[in-house]
Amino acid sequence: QLQLQESGPGLVKPSETLSLTCTVSGGSMSNSRHYLGWIRQPPGKGLEWIGSFYYSGSTHNNPSLKSRVTMSADTSKKHFSLKLTSVTAADTAVYFCSRGFSDWYDVFDIWGQGTMVSVSS
Amino acid sequence: QSVLTQPPSASGTPGQRVTISCSGSSSNIRSNAVNWYQQVPGTAPKLLIHSNSQRPSGVPDRFSGSKSGTSASLAISGLQSEDEADYYCAAWDDSLNGFWVFGGGTKLTVL
Repeated sequence: QLQLQESGPGLVKPSETLSLTCTVSGGSMSNSRHYLGWIRQPPGKGLEWIGSFYYSGSTHNNPSLKSRVTMSADTSKKHFSLKLTSVTAADTAVYFCSRGFSDWYDVFDIWGQGTMVSVSS
Repeated sequence: QSVLTQPPSASGTPGQRVTISCSGSSSNIRSNAVNWYQQVPGTAPKLLIHSNSQRPSGVPDRFSGSKSGTSASLAISGLQSEDEADYYCAAWDDSLNGFWVFGGGTKLTVL
């Protein structure tokens, strides 16, 4: 079945750009009902939606992150990327990618295992 | 501070029924469906309930969800030790340009 795997540096310096990749295996995301969401979880805290990348190539970000977020995907829709600029310690979190399914209902139904990113000099 | 409000903790004994509440507003829960996720610490969230009360395939019918107005609830009956986890509610919020919001999470302890 479909699996998602996040990857990227575990340590990023303040003011630099955090870059992560989500790799899809065991299936495809090439369906207009599917989209890719990024969600993060600071240590000991709750979940926060970062943004979503849609089949059409459009994106939608959490307004709290303003214009710091960029999301993209390769043409095969097997590799999705997240870039978060000007990071601070507040961006330290486990970052998850998740398959979004949008039909008569909308939900994040399959999740990657998550990758921990620390922001520190 | 989370947009959706959940109690930080809940507890019950094996076999008991527990409920977890999720309070929101007219721009999220009243207007849109609520999803619930279960997260065992150190692992990824798992979808438990979607569309307020629908269970995905494989989720035991001990888990049920409901919604009324600006609040939603998750009920777990016949509590089992493996139900000990963190539970999160989520909904789309129509304010600003729209965004997903989550509750702060409820840590369920099985005594």
